[in-house]
Amino acid sequence: QVTLKESGPVLVKPTETHTLTCTVSGVSLSNDKMGVSWIRQPPGKALEWLAHIFSNDTKSYSESLKSRLTISKNTSKSQVVLTMTDMDPVDTATYYCARIGTGTSRFDYWGQGTLVTVSS
Amino acid sequence: SYVLTQPPSVSEAPGQTARIPCGGHNIGSKSVHWYQQKPGQAPVLVVYDDSDRPSGIPERFSGSNSGNTATLTISRVEAGDEADYYCQVWDSSSDHVVFGGGTKLTVL
Repeated sequence: QVTLKESGPVLVKPTETHTLTCTVSGVSLSNDKMGVSWIRQPPGKALEWLAHIFSNDTKSYSESLKSRLTISKNTSKSQVVLTMTDMDPVDTATYYCARIGTGTSRFDYWGQGTLVTVSS
Repeated sequence: SYVLTQPPSVSEAPGQTARIPCGGHNIGSKSVHWYQQKPGQAPVLVVYDDSDRPSGIPERFSGSNSGNTATLTISRVEAGDEADYYCQVWDSSSDHVVFGGGTKLTVL
């Protein structure tokens, strides 16, 4: 059974750099064409895709946020890490990681999400 | 960048059929996926590749996709179907994931 779990600080100060970790179990991050995305959802608002990394280390980023985002993976630890710089109160949201299945474009497994609040 | 457009809300009475559209330029040429999200929960995939259902999703959930509109259809709507629904595609021209703005389904 595939599971994903997000972890990281839940309270961040403005201008700080924030790091979130997604720990994946039940499948290897090295599986061919598998990928993991980070997606966020501000309270009461829609889902917003942030970044994605594939098993071959190909990465892609949201155009509006790419200057602030870095995604990476540690296959041996089964972790995908997202770093977001210069945090602002508008970045307050629930952050999800989700898996795209091999050779597909759909998110078949999601983490439970973690609420990150940006406040001084 | 590619844009998906959904109505903010759709209402339907129990037992009736609810249809949630998702508009995008030539969306019929893309694979569309649909997610259901209930309050306080992570999204759940309910339809993928336009019209396929993951195991465990009732047959009442179906999808279609043609031209500039994809549609999620929920037959015999139940109170438990009340949720937000999001469409999603992979835009291969930009290598980006795109979500629609979401539609809140209210069961009257």
